[in-house]
Amino acid sequence: ETGVTQTPRHLVMGMTNKKSLKCEQHLGHNAMYWYKQSAKKPLELMFVYNFKEQTENNSVPSRFSPECPNSSHLFLHLHTLQPEDSALYLCASSQVLQTSGGAGQFFGPGTRLTVL
Amino acid sequence: GEDVEQSLFLSVREGDSSVINCTYTDSSSTYLYWYKQEPGAGLQLLTYIFSNMDMKQDQRLTVLLNKKDKHLSLRIADTQTGDSAIYFCAEILGNTGKLIFGQGTTLQVKP
Repeated sequence: ETGVTQTPRHLVMGMTNKKSLKCEQHLGHNAMYWYKQSAKKPLELMFVYNFKEQTENNSVPSRFSPECPNSSHLFLHLHTLQPEDSALYLCASSQVLQTSGGAGQFFGPGTRLTVL
Repeated sequence: GEDVEQSLFLSVREGDSSVINCTYTDSSSTYLYWYKQEPGAGLQLLTYIFSNMDMKQDQRLTVLLNKKDKHLSLRIADTQTGDSAIYFCAEILGNTGKLIFGQGTTLQVKP
């Protein structure tokens, strides 16, 4: 257990559905991240939040909408997705944005998303 | 540009040592990391090295850093079947908190 939980673990949705992914960290960290992991591709950073403020949007399509109501929770709202959006979506957190002390980012188990 | 390269596959016999290699491009990286991903799971931080170090040892894991060549390696001594996983090398860029990952090396450990 890394202290970062994600729900649901698996999600199947149609292209017209709206769904949300949830991430919660119990580590007292202040920075949270969404990553996309597709087959045969490096992990792609999607969004970064630091103290609830979005600091990076890595050219992510608007059909992905993040929300960070507090430092412990991060959501990814999904609507009108495409089949190519099927992937493992990983949430991570770190104590501070610049990972001083080298502690790195702690990852959740991911949500396996399939878009039909 | 920002790029991290790893070989995609490594196969070893149980009990042998495994060496996973990585090259990176950003010479200003302050920390470099090794993560492990088991099937169906997220990424688990294995170890990290600060850029002013050449080597770091942690039980069966040894990390070597050659800053001149921008080369990072992870050596796993006495490799076990439970070490079978995908291993990701990552570098962190300055103040952005942005981790750049390699494509991952699949380690297969044969009994």
